Amino acid sequence: GESVGLHLPTLSVQEGDNSIINCAYSNSASDYFIWYKQESGKGPQFIIDIRSNMDKRQGQRVTVLLNKTVKHLSLQIAATQPGDSAVYFCAENSGGSNYKLTFGKGTLLTVNP
Amino acid sequence: DGGITQSPKYLFRKEGQNVTLSCEQNLNHDAMYWYRQDPGQGLRLIYYSQIVNDFQKGDIAEGYSVSREKKESFPLTVTSAQKNPTAFYLCASGTGQGARSPFFGQGTRLTVV
Repeated sequence: GESVGLHLPTLSVQEGDNSIINCAYSNSASDYFIWYKQESGKGPQFIIDIRSNMDKRQGQRVTVLLNKTVKHLSLQIAATQPGDSAVYFCAENSGGSNYKLTFGKGTLLTVNP
Repeated sequence: DGGITQSPKYLFRKEGQNVTLSCEQNLNHDAMYWYRQDPGQGLRLIYYSQIVNDFQKGDIAEGYSVSREKKESFPLTVTSAQKNPTAFYLCASGTGQGARSPFFGQGTRLTVV
């Protein structure tokens, strides 16, 4: 039978298209969120972050949207390039004196040339 | 160059042997973390340290031990008590401000045979 957790959600897009990667977070008390990009065999690389007092933040070719009402986070990548192919993780921090980040399972983005 | 270095990149050990993974940072960060990543899954926190000579268990600490004798170093020992030690291990460091966007090393892939 199929093993739980071995199959990541996947998103396949054409080069030049915009990509939207979604993440549902669990803790309504979380006050800080991060998106990471992880290429095969490497450590996660910071992309963009957002605090809970914001609902949108833009970086270079990336935008993060936060909807606290439904506990949803999304990462938008404009003009997706082959080099964007990777696994993307969202992470949340519940704040306070807790130094721990909780990571989602990730989404595999494949960009077709 | 400032950064976080994990060594070795690949490590093989026989079942029943303890093994220590190295993590060094020269970013002057107070906080350091160890995560474990299994195929197709997110990162799970093993141990974290907010300051020298202090560390706390994460979500999956059983079978692991750490020390934090120096600010720059946070070695992780995978003991023989860890039932399923084969995994990708990631070390991270941060400013300690509520785990704000920690930086990750490139990981050590441990295989136990």
